[in-house]
Amino acid sequence: KQEVTQIPAALSVPEGENLVLNCSFTDSAIYNLQWFRQDPGKGLTSLLLIQSSQREQTSGRLNASLDKSSGRSTLYIAASQPGDSATYLCAVNPLGGADGLTFGKGTHLIIQP
Amino acid sequence: SAVISQKPSRDICQRGTSLTIQCQVDSQVTMMFWYRQQPGQSLTLIATANQGSEATYESGFVIDKFPISRPNLTFSTLTVSNMSPEDSSIYLCSVDRYNYGYTFGSGTRLTVV
Repeated sequence: KQEVTQIPAALSVPEGENLVLNCSFTDSAIYNLQWFRQDPGKGLTSLLLIQSSQREQTSGRLNASLDKSSGRSTLYIAASQPGDSATYLCAVNPLGGADGLTFGKGTHLIIQP
Repeated sequence: SAVISQKPSRDICQRGTSLTIQCQVDSQVTMMFWYRQQPGQSLTLIATANQGSEATYESGFVIDKFPISRPNLTFSTLTVSNMSPEDSSIYLCSVDRYNYGYTFGSGTRLTVV
């Protein structure tokens, strides 16, 4: 059974810092990996999708990497802003694609102004 | 990516009653997924709904408690039956857009009193 772990569980940093959020998964047989953002009491916003054949994806100040063989992904946030405060979720899509996503417990991020 | 309209966005319900949550997708999809997010927790898959067949439930979730309908390729409902305070959660529907990743509805925040 796939297990997804996110470290750290919580992070509070001053504005402007560069951040790295970590995600690890136990089964490397994945179709893709997706990073989401969730604001309190809200739904999920997709940030980045990395296919199993890819090593990284970038969108604006966000960069996500994937090392499938070692079961790891990182989300890099450059020049953090207070508006980046949210919970960041890593989710793995297994091969076959019909089983839904397996989520980590998330990293709760607070950016101090 | 697909747009999913989910309603209601929130509700407060009496214990012992039932609530039906609706999700409408702006394009046809084969499978729809229903998730639960308990307070302070990550997302857990409840079931997968295919049009024209019975939903497939994950371990710990049963049809009598969470009946699902999937009358066509753009619509699904999840009912939370005979509710107790332990059912207080955010419920989300989702679709897999394959090479574009998963898209989620905005969620239904349920409080059972």
